[in-house]
Amino acid sequence: DAGVIQSPRHEVTEMGQEVTLRCKPISGHDYLFWYRQTMMRGLELLIYFNNNVPIDDSGMPEDRFSAKMPNASFSTLKIQPSEPRDSAVYFCASSLRGGQTETQYFGPGTRLLVL
Amino acid sequence: GDSVTQMEGPVTLSEEAFLTINCTYTATGYPSLFWYVQYPGEGLQLLLKATKADDKGSNKGFEATYRKETTSFHLEKGSVQVSDSAVYFCALIFYNQGGKLIFGQGTELSVKP
Repeated sequence: DAGVIQSPRHEVTEMGQEVTLRCKPISGHDYLFWYRQTMMRGLELLIYFNNNVPIDDSGMPEDRFSAKMPNASFSTLKIQPSEPRDSAVYFCASSLRGGQTETQYFGPGTRLLVL
Repeated sequence: GDSVTQMEGPVTLSEEAFLTINCTYTATGYPSLFWYVQYPGEGLQLLLKATKADDKGSNKGFEATYRKETTSFHLEKGSVQVSDSAVYFCALIFYNQGGKLIFGQGTELSVKP
């Protein structure tokens, strides 16, 4: 079975450019999560969706970040305009159900470098 | 607020040594607790979990017991292998926070032959 798929795996861009990260969750999973990993802040949840609806976006750092889930098999995380401090690894994860006991399955991540 | 604290790394061990990675949490309720592992260049994978006090999670020779009295979930393995070299993350979820995983800072383990 295919796991969570993310693209691109690596992205290098210049400050001010728009960046779009993509995620395909595991088929049948109802929940989708976007995380960011940095040396300074560790792993932090940015936003998560249930049945394509954003439930909690309190972790989105600022208005430059936006996320969408137009259907059950696709989500995007967009940064516009990008800044060097956005450089990080961005992970997408999905789970069959939300809640306290469910396992989240992570994609391989997108390593973003903003110059 | 709710938080997870792990022992700092890197931890360097020889093959077949005993491993302990400490994890404690601060919370007002009773979360579920998880250990995730991240191999170089990969995403996180669930290693084990425990959903209530005194539960023991185990997988691939790793174990951790949910200790409510000490708010801890220490990871142990009796004999590590070179292939166990990775970064290990302790995490928790609360029942009223949907799927919001709160992670510790991660502990890097390096196992030498």
